[in-house]
Amino acid sequence: GQQLNQSPQSMFIQEGEDVSMNCTSSSIFNTWLWYKQDPGEGPVLLIALYKAGELTSNGRLTAQFGITRKDSFLNISASIPSDVGIYFCAGGNYGGSQGNLIFGKGTKLSVKP
Amino acid sequence: NAGVTQTPKFRILKIGQSMTLQCAQDMNHNYMYWYRQDPGMGLKLIYYSVGAGITDKGEVPNGYNVSRSTTEDFPLRLELAAPSQTSVYFCASSLRGTPLYGYTFGSGTRLTVV
Repeated sequence: GQQLNQSPQSMFIQEGEDVSMNCTSSSIFNTWLWYKQDPGEGPVLLIALYKAGELTSNGRLTAQFGITRKDSFLNISASIPSDVGIYFCAGGNYGGSQGNLIFGKGTKLSVKP
Repeated sequence: NAGVTQTPKFRILKIGQSMTLQCAQDMNHNYMYWYRQDPGMGLKLIYYSVGAGITDKGEVPNGYNVSRSTTEDFPLRLELAAPSQTSVYFCASSLRGTPLYGYTFGSGTRLTVV
């Protein structure tokens, strides 16, 4: 089946630092989504990308849809303690079977105050 | 709106016991999904439903069953619990069968089988 490779698996950063993570796929998607999961909670949608090359921001978060349609990137600027959590990428194809999303394994972010 | 509600939040089962994980959504979403999350393994799709009366297997359906008698409810049944089913289970829903809308997730059920 389709797989997403998400890296890094975990990050330990200092408050105020910028963060970058990425997701690559063996196949093409026409939708990329980024979710954040706080400890003990379900994932929450952060950013959705629908077009190759698209760059979309949500506050301090910026995500890009790779031009090959096989990758996506998420950047967090000036990290703060509440950024702690697991970040998941997800790829999907609208018009495909039931629109099922494929999820990456997640990047666990820890922020030192 | 409550969104997606999962019960219970925590449960400990003995090997061979059965239980039902409840999931309800109040957003009138047609599509509902069950995922399991194991440490470092991301989210694996167990079952999904495109509407009342219709269900289909996902990536890891063995040991589980589902039903969808109403639009709102999508319970997940474990018949003979095994240690391999120790995991965190998430229910999700979406308005339509397209990732354009993303998924809304519940807060999860943490299940331990001993």
